[in-house]
Amino acid sequence: GQSLEQPSEVTAVEGAIVQMNCTYQTSGFYGLSWYQQHDGGAPTFLSYNALDGLEETGRFSSFLSRSDSYGYLLLQELQMKDSASYFCAVRDNYGQNFVFGPGTRLSVLP
Amino acid sequence: GAVVSQHPSWVICKSGTSVKIECRSLDFQATTMFWYRQFPKQSLMLMATSNEGSKATYEQGVEKDKFLINHASLTLSTLTVTSAHPEDSSFYICSARRILAGGLADTGELFFGEGSRLTVL
Repeated sequence: GQSLEQPSEVTAVEGAIVQMNCTYQTSGFYGLSWYQQHDGGAPTFLSYNALDGLEETGRFSSFLSRSDSYGYLLLQELQMKDSASYFCAVRDNYGQNFVFGPGTRLSVLP
Repeated sequence: GAVVSQHPSWVICKSGTSVKIECRSLDFQATTMFWYRQFPKQSLMLMATSNEGSKATYEQGVEKDKFLINHASLTLSTLTVTSAHPEDSSFYICSARRILAGGLADTGELFFGEGSRLTVL
């Protein structure tokens, strides 16, 4: 079976740092992706980890530990526009399938 | 960057009619496209994987005869909701993988269409 877990909601203030976790159990694993989705919009790609460690892209960083089946997305210098849902997604089955987690709804307060 | 276009963005139809949603990769070839369904404040539920030139692979619980998927070319996949009913009302989103030339590993990025909001009256 395949299952991913994410906290349902996170609240933080502008300028702060927030970490959103993702744990997974899948039959195969090729990598972990992160997507941002604003209400009514399409998901947009943020980051991808195929190997253990930290990937940094501007204010966004993503971490993966394959031995722990765990990853997180770190957002720094939070802005109001970061309020959105964030989904982790696992590539499995020889990289063909993408399974999405339930998502974390981030609310950034002034 | 790669662009995926999805049409229509909004569609309202009467119960019992069929609706076709198109998903096009505008500047790259997509041998594989994915169709998702999303309810408000919930995650993306994979409905099926669409492969160019072959039959789609449906996820467990998804009715093949109700959600017809056709991937006739490397840039176009269509989802047809047949005999739609109010419970089919949802946000449908497609995505595509871009395969890089030379056997290079891709970034794991899925490119999403804008989504289609279907309301069945």
